[in-house]
Amino acid sequence: GAVVSQHPSRVICKSGTSVKIECRSLDFQATTMFWYRQFPKQSLMLMATSNEGSKATYEQGVEKDKFLINHASLTLSTLTVTSAHPEDSSFYICSARGGVAGSNQPQHFGDGTRLSIL
Amino acid sequence: AQTVTQSQPEMSVQEAETVTLSCTYDTSENNYYLFWYKQPPSRQMILVIRQEAYKQQNATENRFSVNFQKAAKSFSLKISDSQLGDTAMYFCAFMMGYNNNDMRFGAGTRLTVKP
Repeated sequence: GAVVSQHPSRVICKSGTSVKIECRSLDFQATTMFWYRQFPKQSLMLMATSNEGSKATYEQGVEKDKFLINHASLTLSTLTVTSAHPEDSSFYICSARGGVAGSNQPQHFGDGTRLSIL
Repeated sequence: AQTVTQSQPEMSVQEAETVTLSCTYDTSENNYYLFWYKQPPSRQMILVIRQEAYKQQNATENRFSVNFQKAAKSFSLKISDSQLGDTAMYFCAFMMGYNNNDMRFGAGTRLTVKP
């Protein structure tokens, strides 16, 4: 149980393109979803947290206009990297958590998306 | 602010042997949760084990067990009978009990299991 699907697994696109990454909870209702960014050989850095039906809460230093997050349903959240540039190239990972908002359930992670901007 | 420290960037172990990964954390809170996540080369983060701070008993999951020392703020992971499939990055993570949208990860330990 607790499967999170993230799509696509890899994206290569030109600078200036907008890229959408989907994160789905397949067998549970994800009341809270998280988006992380991971640089090579580094740990995960939280970018934003979203509760279903609410606006995302962004971490300090993360541009909300650059990284658009939508969590319109209990099973789907999307991250759109707008007008992507080479410095946005990274590994993006989503995670999802069930239970009531703020519960102590562990986060379940997607497979990640490797984004490469040429 | 809560911090998580993993002081071993890389470790290796022979197949079937036992290895212990270290993790320390810093918090002034009493109610929190600790996790170990595994990230194999496929890059998916997999929950290995979790520990509630209010529980004195160390968590175990098959070959994985923790040594939770609350006073010392230490949370080490022991892997027994290591298998080749255990090769991965291991991240220690801390989550507050009351603000549990904030999970902090350590820098990770790269574990290689050698045949």
